[in-house]
Amino acid sequence: GQQLNQSPQSMFIQEGEDVSMNCTSSSIFNTWLWYKQDPGEGPVLLIALYKAGELTSNGRLTAQFGITRKDSFLNISASIPSDVGIYFCAGVRTGNQFYFGTGTSLTVIP
Amino acid sequence: DAGVTQSPTHLIKTRGQQVTLRCSPKSGHDTVSWYQQALGQGPQFIFQYYEEEERQRGNFPDRFSGHQFPNYSSELNVNALLLGDSALYLCASSFSSSPEAFFGQGTRLTVV
Repeated sequence: GQQLNQSPQSMFIQEGEDVSMNCTSSSIFNTWLWYKQDPGEGPVLLIALYKAGELTSNGRLTAQFGITRKDSFLNISASIPSDVGIYFCAGVRTGNQFYFGTGTSLTVIP
Repeated sequence: DAGVTQSPTHLIKTRGQQVTLRCSPKSGHDTVSWYQQALGQGPQFIFQYYEEEERQRGNFPDRFSGHQFPNYSSELNVNALLLGDSALYLCASSFSSSPEAFFGQGTRLTVV
């Protein structure tokens, strides 16, 4: 099945730093979603984006729906230890079929 | 309000056996999707159920089948298990009109 490309694959940052990650595809999507997954748990929805160019925030998280509809970006400001986990993007097409990214593993060093 | 619940949480099966995994959607949700997540990978879409019918299917063989009941709960069945079927199986529920899907904690299947 198709998987979207996420970068970077992993990040090691100091507590308090800002984080940026992105997700790219060769195909366009109608919706972009960002999820966070902790070990042994299911993904938790963080942000949903519905329109090209849309910028949406959820607390310290900000995500953008790329203007080409083929990419999306997630930023985390002032990282804290509980931000540790794997972040997945998901592109959604008509009919609500999801295509997940390869994941970005985030480690926050206190 | 209970979220998406899956059972069992862990399961060990032998090659060639059959397995059934269960999912109860978040209250009010009518659509259930199933995903397979191999270690270190993102979830891969298996299929989606709405109004007790399979609405969409990903690139998985016919050994993977499912069912949705009138109360919107769902089962995933896998026949003739292979070692490569070992993975975390995730169920997600949503309203049919919304792409925002909420996931359960998953069932860890190990095939030996």
